[in-house]
Amino acid sequence: EDQVTQSPEALRLQEGESSSLNCSYTVSGLRGLFWYRQDPGKGPEFLFTLYSAGEEKEKERLKATLTKKESFLHITAPKPEDSATYLCAVVGATNKLIFGTGTLLAVQP
Amino acid sequence: ETGVTQTPRHLVMGMTNKKSLKCEQHLGHNAMYWYKQSAKKPLELMFVYSLEERVENNSVPSRFSPECPNSSHLFLHLHTLQPEDSALYLCASSTGSSFANYGYTFGSGTRLTVV
Repeated sequence: EDQVTQSPEALRLQEGESSSLNCSYTVSGLRGLFWYRQDPGKGPEFLFTLYSAGEEKEKERLKATLTKKESFLHITAPKPEDSATYLCAVVGATNKLIFGTGTLLAVQP
Repeated sequence: ETGVTQTPRHLVMGMTNKKSLKCEQHLGHNAMYWYKQSAKKPLELMFVYSLEERVENNSVPSRFSPECPNSSHLFLHLHTLQPEDSALYLCASSTGSSFANYGYTFGSGTRLTVV
């Protein structure tokens, strides 16, 4: 059964304090791994898609990496506006998008 | 605006009420989805419509009734709900190519409270 586990559940950082969020997955025939950002009371907003181990993508202070078992979302010198829930999802041979429970990130000034 | 619009944004209803959630997408997508998001749980896929036909119903109680009159509109009809049905209900859409590139495009959701 396809499964996604995200850690930590919640993370509190000081502004400028870099860190990483983890997404571990088991999936049959990975077709893509997605990172989304979700602000309170809003729907998930697309950030990145990764397709194969070794792939990396960057956007401003965020960098996503992928191995055969997990993905990391690295946040460099975060700002308060980076505070949100970050969701990881995978799609495999079933063609269904399977989500993790997310990491709630709070960045304090 | 994300291209997927959900109304209402907030809804409070009693357990004996009947209400409907509406979703509209302006992206030309051919598949639409209803998700339920509860605290500390993964997004739960409820229903999938492809080309206006329901292709998936994930053991959702019959008090939730979806309707897809055309490829741009999706409804979720609610009746005799329970307090545990209180959650954020998200609508999403996709096409084959968009799905491969970025998964689904989500609306902002309807925050439902059952009292």
